[in-house]
Amino acid sequence: TQLLEQSPQFLSIQEGENLTVYCNSSSVFSSLQWYRQEPGEGPVLLVTVVTGGEVKKLKRLTFQFGDARKDSSLHITAAQPGDTGLYLCAGPRPLTPLVFGKGTRLSVIA
Amino acid sequence: DVKVTQSSRYLVKRTGEKVFLECVQDMDHENMFWYRQDPGLGLRLIYFSYDVKMKEKGDIPEGYSVSREKKERFSLILESASTNQTSMYLCASEGTGMETQYFGPGTRLLVL
Repeated sequence: TQLLEQSPQFLSIQEGENLTVYCNSSSVFSSLQWYRQEPGEGPVLLVTVVTGGEVKKLKRLTFQFGDARKDSSLHITAAQPGDTGLYLCAGPRPLTPLVFGKGTRLSVIA
Repeated sequence: DVKVTQSSRYLVKRTGEKVFLECVQDMDHENMFWYRQDPGLGLRLIYFSYDVKMKEKGDIPEGYSVSREKKERFSLILESASTNQTSMYLCASEGTGMETQYFGPGTRLLVL
């Protein structure tokens, strides 16, 4: 069974700070996805990374897939209160069902 | 826009009651899923379905059953609710081979 470990579990930062959260596995993943779940809502897909070493940017969010395809990171620049939520990594695509990490709960304080 | 709707946002039930959680998607997706989400435990897959009348057990099927009589509807049934089934229940759907899994807003179930 493929497992995804996310760290940190909780993160509380001030508005304007930068942060990085991590998703790690002992297995190679063909792809990894990042979802964000806002309070009171279901998760929403942010990005899928497929190629080892790949970097994708979504406004202030930068996603990276490790060269060995065993890890991924999400970096947020100048965090805003609207970034508050639970960040989940998941994979691999195109297989189903997905394996989800337990998530990083981010709180951005104004 | 894909829409996944769940019948209730909040539900309070008594121990021993039979509970039905309904999920409907409007994008003709083949695959549908039921998860429960608990603090510190993440999303755990209860059951999923690849097609009408088909069901597959997930990681934690005990105490639950499902029904998929129509493609757009996937129901989760708690035959006899227990307090340890108090949780957030999330339904999701996706098209076969597609990238995105779409989630409903969740049902927060409290079993007293």
